Amino acid sequence: EIVLTQSPATLSLSPGERATLSCRASQSVSRYLAWYQQKPGQAPRLLIYDASNRATGIPARFSGSGSGTDFTLTIISLDPEDFAVYYCQQGSNWPRGFTFGGGTKVEIK
Amino acid sequence: EVQLVESGGGLVQPGRSLRLSCAASGFTFDDYAMHWVRQAPGKGLEWVSGISWNSGSIGYADSVKGRFTISRDNAKNSLYLQMNSLRAEDTALYYCSKGGSYAEDWGQGTLVTVSS
Repeated sequence: EIVLTQSPATLSLSPGERATLSCRASQSVSRYLAWYQQKPGQAPRLLIYDASNRATGIPARFSGSGSGTDFTLTIISLDPEDFAVYYCQQGSNWPRGFTFGGGTKVEIK
Repeated sequence: EVQLVESGGGLVQPGRSLRLSCAASGFTFDDYAMHWVRQAPGKGLEWVSGISWNSGSIGYADSVKGRFTISRDNAKNSLYLQMNSLRAEDTALYYCSKGGSYAEDWGQGTLVTVSS
């Protein structure tokens, strides 16, 4: 089973600051990695797929990078609506596996 | 507009069964793989099971293997999850999602509570 480890668990930042979230896989997932945003009381929303492609309607301030085992989600300038929990997910061995990381909470400092 | 509407959740005793349904609309259902993902109260996301467009490929998380069965009816644009031998740790909000390697769209979830 591929394990995804996200860090940090919590990121305390102010609006306008840059957020950098990390996701590390226990073995290579090539570029089969996605990022999701979840706000309280809402379903998750796909932000990034294939490591660096923005999903439909996702603002350009969100970007993804990485390949193999190390991935990064960057929010270049935090908007007040960006404070949420972010999850990474790998789909490299679907349907045998489809794993989520533990999440990073981006909170207002 | 993609719509995924889950139903069938509720309160159930440990060891009993429950069947979840997901009604899909706004896209060509039989073009897409589908997944069930759950979220225990206050916890993160956990993939439960997925099924390819033609039911030819199916996967389960180890935590539910042998107890849960995923299926779909393309004629009815519907996805199902048969959950048997339910345990307290299966208590969660269960989401239906559209997509193969990724969950592109999500429903709002149906809550399953396993308790005596």
